[in-house]
Amino acid sequence: QKEVEQNSGPLSVPEGAIASLNCTYSDRGSQSFFWYRQYSGKSPELIMSIYSNGDKEDGRFTAQLNKASQYVSLLIRDSQPSDSATYLCAAVNAGGTSYGKLTFGQGTILTVHP
Amino acid sequence: GAVVSQHPSRVICKSGTSVKIECRSLDFQATTMFWYRQFPKKSLMLMATSNEGSKATYEQGVEKDKFLINHASLTLSTLTVTSAHPEDSSFYICSARKGAEGEFFGPGTRLTVL
Repeated sequence: QKEVEQNSGPLSVPEGAIASLNCTYSDRGSQSFFWYRQYSGKSPELIMSIYSNGDKEDGRFTAQLNKASQYVSLLIRDSQPSDSATYLCAAVNAGGTSYGKLTFGQGTILTVHP
Repeated sequence: GAVVSQHPSRVICKSGTSVKIECRSLDFQATTMFWYRQFPKKSLMLMATSNEGSKATYEQGVEKDKFLINHASLTLSTLTVTSAHPEDSSFYICSARKGAEGEFFGPGTRLTVL
């Protein structure tokens, strides 16, 4: 059973702080990882993708990948109340009957308070 | 980015009727689309993988005769919930894969079966 694990939170940070979201995955063959943001009652929105070890920055978001530790993280700088949402980590399965499909973590609820 | 649309956004129907949900990739072609359902405060559950020009592949436990999927073109996949019952009430979300960029989700369809 391929798994993606996230701390379900909730994670609460003050406005302007850095929010750090973490994720581990079990499929060592996975090569592609994604972070989605999902507001309550809405569908997920892709905010970051990462494929190589190291950091990838896009605006206030930085994704980090460490394949040796099977660990993916998302940092949100200068957090805003509008960032309050559930953040889903996902990995593309590398083989077996689930090849090519996304496995999602259970999501981390982030609350940014003014 | 990539835009995926779904129609209808919300549907209420009587028990025993069939409901068709359309998923379209608006600015890219998608040979692979996915159908998910999501219950309140739960993570996404993959129902099936829709492949253009071939039969859909269903996840374990998903009845293929109840959830009919047709991927008629590179921009359109449809999900038909046949003989819907109240337990089929859920949030149905499609996604389309845009190469290595990842999966992009439609806005979702909220189905209520009375």
